[in-house]
Amino acid sequence: AQTVTQSQPEMSVQEAETVTLSCTYDTSESDYYLFWYKQPPSRQMILVIRQEAYKQQNATENRFSVNFQKAAKSFSLKISDSQLGDAAMYFCAYRSAVAGTYKYIFGTGTRLKVLA
Amino acid sequence: DAGITQSPRHKVTETGTPVTLRCHQTENHRYMYWYRQDPGHGLRLIHYSYGVKDTDKGEVSDGYSVSRSKTEDFLLTLESATSSQTSVYFCAIRAGGTYEQYFGPGTRLTVT
Repeated sequence: AQTVTQSQPEMSVQEAETVTLSCTYDTSESDYYLFWYKQPPSRQMILVIRQEAYKQQNATENRFSVNFQKAAKSFSLKISDSQLGDAAMYFCAYRSAVAGTYKYIFGTGTRLKVLA
Repeated sequence: DAGITQSPRHKVTETGTPVTLRCHQTENHRYMYWYRQDPGHGLRLIHYSYGVKDTDKGEVSDGYSVSRSKTEDFLLTLESATSSQTSVYFCAIRAGGTYEQYFGPGTRLTVT
C-alpha cells in the first residue's frame, strides 16, 4: 500500500524568506499524481499545486514550486518570498493513476509559521 | 470553490444518537469523498462514491455509512455516534481528468 510521510510537524520562516517543506512517499507504481494542499486557520482546504509523475518538469504556481525527485520518491514544496498569509497547515497527497483506483492518501501535515 | 457546501457546519450531539452530515455540490461531479481530520492523522478517507448509488469504503469506515441517491448529494451517517467520532469532517469532489480534489468547508462534530 502507498504511504505519504511528512517528517516535519512544524516549521518557521521569516517573512520574505524561502522555506521548503518535505514530503516522501512510498509506491511501486510508475504513474501517479502528487498534490500539496494548504489549510489556513479558516479550515478550508486549498489546492496549492499538482505534479504528474510522468512529467519531469517541476510544477510551479507563482511563489510555490516543487522539487519532484521520482527515483527518490520525494516531493518537496518551496515557498518563495514568504508572506504572513502563507501561515497554515500544509498537506502532501498521493493519488494513483491506475485505472479503477479512486483513493487519495494524505500525509499528516506540516504546520508553517511565518514570522514578521 | 467548486460549489461544495456542507451542512451542518457545527454539531454537538450525545453518544448513541444518529447523525447525518450532508455534502452538496452544484457542478455535476461524479466522484465524491468523505474524510475525517484529526490531529496527528491528516485526512483519512471514510467512504467515497464513484456515481449515483455506487459507493465504497475507505480506511476508517467502521461506524459510518453513506448514501448517494442523486449526483449532487452525498450523505454521511453515524448510526450511533461515539466520542471517538468527534472530529472535523470534510467532503471533497474530484475534478475530471486533472484528478484534483476540491473540498467543502468542513463540519465540526462533537460527540459528548
